[in-house]
Amino acid sequence: KAGVTQTPRYLIKTRGQQVTLSCSPISGHRSVSWYQQTPGQGLQFLFEYFSETQRNKGNFPGRFSGRQFSNSRSEMNVSTLELGDSALYLCASSLTGNTDTQYFGPGTRLTVL
Amino acid sequence: GENVEQHPSTLSVQEGDSAVIKCTYSDSASNYFPWYKQELGKRPQLIIDIRSNVGEKKDQRIAVTLNKTAKHFSLHITETQPEDSAVYFCAAGDSGTYKYIFGTGTRLKVLA
Repeated sequence: KAGVTQTPRYLIKTRGQQVTLSCSPISGHRSVSWYQQTPGQGLQFLFEYFSETQRNKGNFPGRFSGRQFSNSRSEMNVSTLELGDSALYLCASSLTGNTDTQYFGPGTRLTVL
Repeated sequence: GENVEQHPSTLSVQEGDSAVIKCTYSDSASNYFPWYKQELGKRPQLIIDIRSNVGEKKDQRIAVTLNKTAKHFSLHITETQPEDSAVYFCAAGDSGTYKYIFGTGTRLKVLA
């Protein structure tokens, strides 16, 4: 089976712009979670989607949003980018999202200038 | 709110020695505890996990122990090798929330 894929792998944006990141889960996985990884902060949970529904959301401002499509692919959007949004954004897929094994994608490295 | 504390943040051991990383969680509803290894420039990969109905689990040189009363769980790596050098993350999950809280990571260096 193909693993979790994320596009693009690298992005450079300027403050105030918006960005959309994409995640394709492992075939058959219906849960997709998104995380922000920064040095010293570990992985911080953004949100989780299952069957096109957001079931949980982390403590991030409303500028961070996401969605999931009927084929389980997911996108996340960050509007009005700030310097502090520079990070590695990881998505992870699992069968149900209910304490089953999560498989991570390679991440999208976002740099905000 | 939910929190997972992980210690130490860095750990250096001689090849062949053991390494122990400890995590403490705050949400008593947590019932799933995975450990991930992330090598430089790569994605996190699951190395072992444990559920709340089990106190210990072992897979070759890696073991995890769980103390639900104290809300502690630990990763033990024996006979460390240079390829064990990486950042290790613990996490706690709750089947009711579809959410995993991660620790801040431990950078393990195995010195040859």
